[in-house]
Amino acid sequence: GEDVEQSLFLSVREGDSSVINCTYTDSSSTYLYWYKQEPGAGLQLLTYIFSNMDMKQDQRLTVLLNKKDKHLSLRIADTQTGDSAIYFCADGGRSTGNQFYFGTGTSLTVIP
Amino acid sequence: KAGVTQTPRYLIKTRGQQVTLSCSPISGHRSVSWYQQTPGQGLQFLFEYFSETQRNKGNFPGRFSGRQFSNSRSEMNVSTLELGDSALYLCASSLEGGLHSPLHFGNGTRLTVT
Repeated sequence: GEDVEQSLFLSVREGDSSVINCTYTDSSSTYLYWYKQEPGAGLQLLTYIFSNMDMKQDQRLTVLLNKKDKHLSLRIADTQTGDSAIYFCADGGRSTGNQFYFGTGTSLTVIP
Repeated sequence: KAGVTQTPRYLIKTRGQQVTLSCSPISGHRSVSWYQQTPGQGLQFLFEYFSETQRNKGNFPGRFSGRQFSNSRSEMNVSTLELGDSALYLCASSLEGGLHSPLHFGNGTRLTVT
């Protein structure tokens, strides 16, 4: 089966950059996604990257993909207290039937 | 455009009972997926429906079932509830469910089995 792994916790000071890391195992992955989950809510789609790209920037978010090492990261610039949440990376789009494989989630705490 | 709507938000049931959860996808989305989220197991895929047909199924017992209607709305049913079924059940919709079809999630139904 597919394994997607993330570290469990990250703590940063407000205004600093946050970097959340993810590794995956399936080399046939085509699209990789980042989701954010706030308490009591579902998952909010943040951004995605196609497997033939190595970087994508979207406002304060930068996604880096190292396909050789199967490593994905999400950088949040100028982290704010409102960014405190759980962040999930997901491997999706490998086939119809839409089964996404999610990491365990990284809980980001932003210290004022 | 309205997002994915799940009802009810909270449910408390007794072991042995059955429960039905409802999901209305984003307008125009034809694929609906269901996930179970628990602290111990994380997000686990239950099943996916497209055009009223189940296209994919995760590794859950037959007590978990679902269906999709012609308007793309979906329901999932859990029979003979067990304590371990307590979880957040998330519904997600996408346009077609094929390559690069991002999932858009509802806020979930929190099921507590006592």
